Amino acid sequence: SQQGEEDPQALSIQEGENATMNCSYKTSINNLQWYRQNSGRGLVHLILIRSNEREKHSGRLRVTLDTSKKSSSLLITASRAADTASYFCATDTGRRALTFGSGTRLQVQP
Amino acid sequence: DSGVTQTPKHLITATGQRVTLRCSPRSGDLSVYWYQQSLDQGLQFLIQYYNGEERAKGNILERFSAQQFPDLHSELNLSSLELGDSALYFCASSPDFRPGNTIYFGEGSWLTVV
Repeated sequence: SQQGEEDPQALSIQEGENATMNCSYKTSINNLQWYRQNSGRGLVHLILIRSNEREKHSGRLRVTLDTSKKSSSLLITASRAADTASYFCATDTGRRALTFGSGTRLQVQP
Repeated sequence: DSGVTQTPKHLITATGQRVTLRCSPRSGDLSVYWYQQSLDQGLQFLIQYYNGEERAKGNILERFSAQQFPDLHSELNLSSLELGDSALYFCASSPDFRPGNTIYFGEGSWLTVV
């Protein structure tokens, strides 16, 4: 089974609104990363948050991490049509390569 | 552009056949990863090579094999193909072998088995 599970599976919002995606994982981690995938394309790294960090910002992105709840959230503020993509969390457990969740499909309506 | 190059971009082949997918990592990256993405299984880690040696193994079938050559390019060999092997196969690279590295993905090779 997947280490990370994103919620919701799909999200549709209007341009200008904020989008929040959640990721839950099962085992302890060293860091958690978020990636974006445009339809049928390769994944692109967005942001990394370490296990000793609680919040991180990058442009319109805000990531939080709650290791006690084994969960993370990705907030995209003031969304744009170009943000339409799938978003994946990936966990580093220190054992092998990153393990990816099932993804959230975000649709931003213009 | 991530700097990771994969060929071919699309491939259609018949059941029972064998195909080879090729990957050139980013300049300077020593680790190469292979992932399989399908609708039912999601994004699954297959295998990692570091500087020519197998570093970590994931959910790679015995019918599949990979290698990394001295020039650091990598090939993923898929044999005795089945319909269920139809998927998008990604290569990714990173500077070293540490599991928590940011990894850089290629655009993928679409494999359709008919």
